[in-house]
Amino acid sequence: QSALTQPASVSGSPGQSITISCTGTSSDVGGYNYVSWYQQHPGKAPKLMIYEVSNRPSGVPDRFSGSKSGNTASLTISGLQAEDEADYYCSSYTSSSTLVVFGGGTKLTVL
Amino acid sequence: QVQLQESGPGLVKPSQTLSLTCTVSGGSISSGGYYWSWIRQHPGKGLEWIGYIYYSGSTYYNPSLKSRVTISVDTSKNQFSLKLSSVTAADTAVYYCARGRTGDWFDPWGQGTLVTVSS
Repeated sequence: QSALTQPASVSGSPGQSITISCTGTSSDVGGYNYVSWYQQHPGKAPKLMIYEVSNRPSGVPDRFSGSKSGNTASLTISGLQAEDEADYYCSSYTSSSTLVVFGGGTKLTVL
Repeated sequence: QVQLQESGPGLVKPSQTLSLTCTVSGGSISSGGYYWSWIRQHPGKGLEWIGYIYYSGSTYYNPSLKSRVTISVDTSKNQFSLKLSSVTAADTAVYYCARGRTGDWFDPWGQGTLVTVSS
């Protein structure tokens, strides 16, 4: 069982917006602004999409945005495109000895 | 830009030691500022952080694996390595190396290498 809770799947049609949630505790998501989001296509390595809650690395489209409220972080993808279909993982710093925890992943299907 | 590449045996026998190396190109491990991590993904499952090393050699391991994990660095070769001892079938996974900030983001990642534990 993953330390951070994500929905197993979400779906949306091209052009629509979707949001993926990532719920933790005050010891991780809620206590620190060190939440990251990764996109993983089948058979590929994860790719950093959002870091420190809401920052986008260079080259990531501004259709991807991140936010946090309390113990829940969110990734929003607007203007869905077919190539956005992938698995998405959140991660967070944790004050426990584990240091870093990941969510279980969310499969995004573009209908 | 910085690129990472994992290498090592794809098949390891139970009770033996898994050994992988990550070669970094396009940047120097010795330049500092980043932590070099190993992360694994069990087949069809989520991600598990294994541990990291700094160029100075300081390390930090996931407590769940700490007793079996050793991460080392060879700055002359711009490589860092993972050793996981006493492996079982539960250690079968894709192993990734990645650059990151401690407790923060990981970027970039290597392409990953599947290690199967089987006799």
